[in-house]
Amino acid sequence: QHQFQESGPGLVKPSETLSLTCVVSGGYITISDYYWAWIRQSPGKGLEWIGSIHYGGSTSYNPSLKSRLTISVDTSRNHFSVKLNSVTAADTAVYYCARQRKFYDYLTGYSPAYFDSWGQGTLVTVSS
Amino acid sequence: DIVLTQSPGTLSLSPGERATLSCRASQSVGGRYLAWYQQKPGQAPRLLIYDTSTRATGIPDRFGGSGSGTDFTLTIIRLEPEDFAVYYCQHYGSSTTFGQGTKVEIK
Repeated sequence: QHQFQESGPGLVKPSETLSLTCVVSGGYITISDYYWAWIRQSPGKGLEWIGSIHYGGSTSYNPSLKSRLTISVDTSRNHFSVKLNSVTAADTAVYYCARQRKFYDYLTGYSPAYFDSWGQGTLVTVSS
Repeated sequence: DIVLTQSPGTLSLSPGERATLSCRASQSVGGRYLAWYQQKPGQAPRLLIYDTSTRATGIPDRFGGSGSGTDFTLTIIRLEPEDFAVYYCQHYGSSTTFGQGTKVEIK
């Protein structure tokens, strides 16, 4: 069973880049059945999907964040990462990494689906 | 993108009662691609239901999901003390979005 540990700075200045890494343990990240995802939750608010990546490199991004977002995977280190640039106070949130099941739909092909295992989350505050 | 609207915002019930949570989509969810999560304070969400009605591993059978098209329901047939939490629905497929959540609180 995969387990996750998010790491990265807890404080980022406005206009700078937020960078987080999720180290995966208990299994390889190169399993074809899964995407690897980032989700965030602003204080006291709901969940927002950020984006997902398959170990082969295919990505799926939230359209509202796409212009500022890069998600990458390092199979040699069994981890994946998120970079969000030009951050503002609105990007303050708990950031979760998660395993996301891959599924096949005859219309859309392979796509990321539901999140079946989550990290404990890390709070990132955007402030000067 | 599909917008998910959950209702009610807060549900006040007593242990042993039945909870019915609604998730309405702004357009039809193809293929029954809807999941439900439970989140307790200070914890990550936990997957309860996927594909509208399939319980995730280890989820008790008092949790049930149903629905199709634009209307989906999570039912907890007898609330246990540990079930008081916030519940989110999530659509997947053409895009991935979450509802805003329903809080189930002790009456």
